[in-house]
Amino acid sequence: EVYLVQSGGGLVEPGGSLRLSCAASGFTFTNFEMNWVRQAPGKGLEWVSYINSGGTIKKYADSVKGRTTISRDNAKNSLYLQMISLRAEDTAIYYCARVSGGGGSDCWGQGTLVTVSS
Amino acid sequence: DIQMTQSPSSLSAFVGDRVTITCRASQSIGGWLAWYQQKPGRVPNLLISKASDLESDVPFRFSGSGSGTEFTLTISSLQPDDSATYYCQQYSSYPWTFGLGTKVEIK
Repeated sequence: EVYLVQSGGGLVEPGGSLRLSCAASGFTFTNFEMNWVRQAPGKGLEWVSYINSGGTIKKYADSVKGRTTISRDNAKNSLYLQMISLRAEDTAIYYCARVSGGGGSDCWGQGTLVTVSS
Repeated sequence: DIQMTQSPSSLSAFVGDRVTITCRASQSIGGWLAWYQQKPGRVPNLLISKASDLESDVPFRFSGSGSGTEFTLTISSLQPDDSATYYCQQYSSYPWTFGLGTKVEIK
């Protein structure tokens, strides 16, 4: 069974930082590209960031570029999202997701809520 | 950035109806389009990749078509379990982008 188990998140003050983690199991993590998607309360899905299987290619949404770093540790089967200078508009459920061979995201973490508020 | 425009934003239909959702891209994305279903409080579920490739375990009443800038998701015979919000996503070029979603309700 394929699993992505997320940790991190919570309440953070504006300007603060946090790191989200996503632990993969049940598949060969090193073979898959990964991405992060977020969803503000009551809103639609917003793509956040992408990383290739080797961790050498990283892409970001304009809304988080310069404040966010995606990374992975293939030895630990883990994906990360480091965010700094957090803003109220970053408040959302953050999902890690595996990119399938077809290109869509076929396996999702359970999501973790990040709330940016004073 | 490529904008994805979904229509309608919501619809209500009877069980057994044929339902079609449209997704238009602001520029050509070839066939690099995915469709997702999301139920309230749940994680999104991938239905279709590459515009028309149905994921395993997805019922055959779901189908996708299109290429270039215009795409459709069709539910051939709407079922009660299909009540959800549906999103399209382009992954032709970065930043990847989602449509705003179509909420499907059962009458």
